[in-house]
Amino acid sequence: DAKTTQPNSMESNEEEPVHLPCNHSTISGTDYIHWYRQLPSQGPEYVIHGLTSNVNNRMASLAIAEDRKSSTLILHRATLRDAAVYYCILIGGGSNYKLTFGKGTLLTVNP
Amino acid sequence: DVKVTQSSRYLVKRTGEKVFLECVQDMDHENMFWYRQDPGLGLRLIYFSYDVKMKEKGDIPEGYSVSREKKERFSLILESASTNQTSMYLCASSFSWGRDSPLHFGNGTRLTVT
Repeated sequence: DAKTTQPNSMESNEEEPVHLPCNHSTISGTDYIHWYRQLPSQGPEYVIHGLTSNVNNRMASLAIAEDRKSSTLILHRATLRDAAVYYCILIGGGSNYKLTFGKGTLLTVNP
Repeated sequence: DVKVTQSSRYLVKRTGEKVFLECVQDMDHENMFWYRQDPGLGLRLIYFSYDVKMKEKGDIPEGYSVSREKKERFSLILESASTNQTSMYLCASSFSWGRDSPLHFGNGTRLTVT
């Protein structure tokens, strides 16, 4: 599986934008970039995904580099409820559903 | 919204017991998955199923089996629980067999084997 690299932790202030980076230099042309987050004592929650173009939804935006070797999850105005571990994963083709969740980025939001 | 429900949040079992973890999804999803999550190891795939009665091994199937008799229900079975199976177990589902289909997770079952 193509791997992703994320910072172990990041810190933000409430109501400020947060940019969470993810490197995936070995991404293949058919891999989708997915982002999930996990709040304490809960299962991972789907945030957003994309292939090539930038994507927006009610939770976040996903900016994908032109060469697709990196992406950035953007939370436009962080709230205390956004404090979680954020995972960037690649989902490829065929029967490869052995999804590898790395350690993710622990986001701390300061009031 | 998709709802994936795991029958128990917390479970304590003894070594050697047969343990059943149940998962139900309400959105007619084709695919269902069982993961375990351990500190420092992330999420690891145990088994997945892409249709009723169909199953595939994930990365760590040893000591586990699964059952999918109905589309909405996917059970994880620990044939003879051991202490190294103490973990957080997460069930997930997805609509179709495709890269464009996100996973939806339950809230997990924290299993302790004593």
